[in-house]
Amino acid sequence: EAGVAQSPRYKIIEKRQSVAFWCNPISGHATLYWYQQILGQGPKLLIQFQNNGVVDDSQLPKDRFSAERLKGVDSTLKIQPAKLEDSAVYLCASSLTGPNTEAFFGQGTRLTVV
Amino acid sequence: LAKTTQPISMDSYEGQEVNITCSHNNIATNDYITWYQQFPSQGPRFIIQGYKTKVTNEVASLFIPADRKSSTLSLPRVSLSDTAVYYCLRLPKTGANNLFFGTGTRLTVIP
Repeated sequence: EAGVAQSPRYKIIEKRQSVAFWCNPISGHATLYWYQQILGQGPKLLIQFQNNGVVDDSQLPKDRFSAERLKGVDSTLKIQPAKLEDSAVYLCASSLTGPNTEAFFGQGTRLTVV
Repeated sequence: LAKTTQPISMDSYEGQEVNITCSHNNIATNDYITWYQQFPSQGPRFIIQGYKTKVTNEVASLFIPADRKSSTLSLPRVSLSDTAVYYCLRLPKTGANNLFFGTGTRLTVIP
């Protein structure tokens, strides 16, 4: 079974530039998550989708971050404009819907803002 | 957010059994306890989950006492490849939504 695919693996941009990350979840997983993991910390949920609808985006900095999952499968996360403090690993995860389900994570995209 | 408390770091020699304890005093009646493992440069990976008593799989065992205010992840005979960060999380009955990871326990296995 293919896992969660993310691209790119690494990205370096200057502050105030824009960047986008792509995620392809496991086939059949209706729920998709984007997490931000700053070095030395645990992952922090940014946004959760159920199919193409947003379930939780309470921790998404909406002034600069946006995410979409238009067809309920792939998803993109965008940062515009980037700040130095956005340097982190951005993890995408997916899961089935229902009780006691586990989340499957991709390898992440390491973003460095200089 | 549903939080848990666990040691920041632990060291162990190869071949020893490692027990990582997690505190979750305010666990909800329907919450499960789930543990994830994260290697450097990889996303977290599910290890085990349980509700009460003991659960065992090919990787680890999970002990949850009757009051469910704590849990212990047990890794038998660790090897160098078990060096990772281990996260204890409360899993709502509704599924893997809004998992709060905390800082986890960094386990270092020493040769």
